[in-house]
Formats: sequence, C-alpha cells, structure tokens
Amino acid sequence: DGGITQSPKYLFRKEGQNVTLSCEQNLNHDAMYWYRQDPGQGLRLIYYSQIVNDFQKGDIAEGYSVSREKKESFPLTVTSAQKNPTAFYLCASSIDPGPAYEQYFGPGTRLTVT
Amino acid sequence: GENVEQHPSTLSVQEGDSAVIKCTYSDSASNYFPWYKQELGKGPQLIIDIRSNVGEKKDQRIAVTLNKTAKHFSLHITETQPEDSAVYFCAASPMEYGNKLVFGAGTILRVKS
Repeated sequence: DGGITQSPKYLFRKEGQNVTLSCEQNLNHDAMYWYRQDPGQGLRLIYYSQIVNDFQKGDIAEGYSVSREKKESFPLTVTSAQKNPTAFYLCASSIDPGPAYEQYFGPGTRLTVT
Repeated sequence: GENVEQHPSTLSVQEGDSAVIKCTYSDSASNYFPWYKQELGKGPQLIIDIRSNVGEKKDQRIAVTLNKTAKHFSLHITETQPEDSAVYFCAASPMEYGNKLVFGAGTILRVKS
C-alpha cells in the first residue's frame, strides 16, 4: 500500500527546542516538499528536494532545515530560530519535480510550541 | 512574484445545488492549475487539474474551466452532497517560481442537508 507517512500526528515542544518532523514515502518519487499551513492561509513552501542529496529553499525557509540522504525520506527540523513555529506541517511528493505532476500529500503533523 | 487569489473564503450551499469557486493568478506563463480537497485533519488530495492548453475538463460532478486571457480558473461542483464539505485549494505553477506550486488561501465549502 503506497503512500506518504508523517509522524507523529501531534507534537508538542517547549520554546527554544529544536524538533524534527518525519516524512517517509514508498512511492519511489524523486521530488519531495515541505509546506506549512496556517489558519486562513494557503500552503506555503518551506523546502523542496528534486533528488537525493539536493534541496532548495522555498518561500519561508528561515528557521527550518532539511536533509535528503535517502530517496524515501525527507525530514524537516524546526529550529529555535523559527519565530512562530506553531502550525500544521504537510509533506508531499511527486514522481518528477516538474509542474505538471501531481503532488501527493501526507496526513500532516500539527506542531504546538509553548 | 506569483499571487493566487481565491474566492469566496467560505461558501454554504444546499445539498443538490451547485458550487463555484474562483481563482485568479498573476503570471501569464503559468501552465498547470490543480485543485485540492482537504478534509478536517487530513492532507490535501488532488481532485482535478487542468493544463494551459485546455479550456475545460470534467470528471463526473466536478469540472474546471480556465480562461488564460483573463488569468482565472474556476472549480464547479454540481449536485453537491454532504461529503463534498471540505476546504478546497486552487494552485498555479508560475514559471518564475521554478515550476513549483503557489496555493490560494482556500475555500471552506459547507453543504447543508
């Protein structure tokens, strides 16, 4: 059963702590993406990766970091430098990094930082 | 940069009625326009998409129309059902953005039975 998994579903952290969100896909997709979703706003791109060992910043990369050591995994670290980290985080993948390919989304991780 | 505006932000319809959601984009070079449906607590799911060389596309009760001259595209849902209640997002792929997607702010659709 192919798809994208994100864990955990809910995550709570204290301010000042780094936290890593997991994203795994078994679709054999080359491209992977991280989005942030806030109430009343569309999805905003944090980072994306077109291929293993390569990634680029999206619109709102400040305070976040990623790695792409394996094709199936694209973890996102929310660092203490991110000023407003509480949000719903969505990971996605597509078979190709081009624009006309469907992006498949995971179920998301809701991060709350207090 | 590219800007995608989506209207309305909320839409309530009676079961069986039609629903229309409209989006405008600013980059005339954009060539791919998907629509996603997001149910509560879940990730978005693609429901239909259209490319710039096509004016209209249908899939059962769902259709999308594209007007490249006016730079707007719309989602049409006919014979709405309670299970259509969700948040709908449009997106555009602007060339200047490295062929990535820029999303609208979303429309909350409520279908009243």
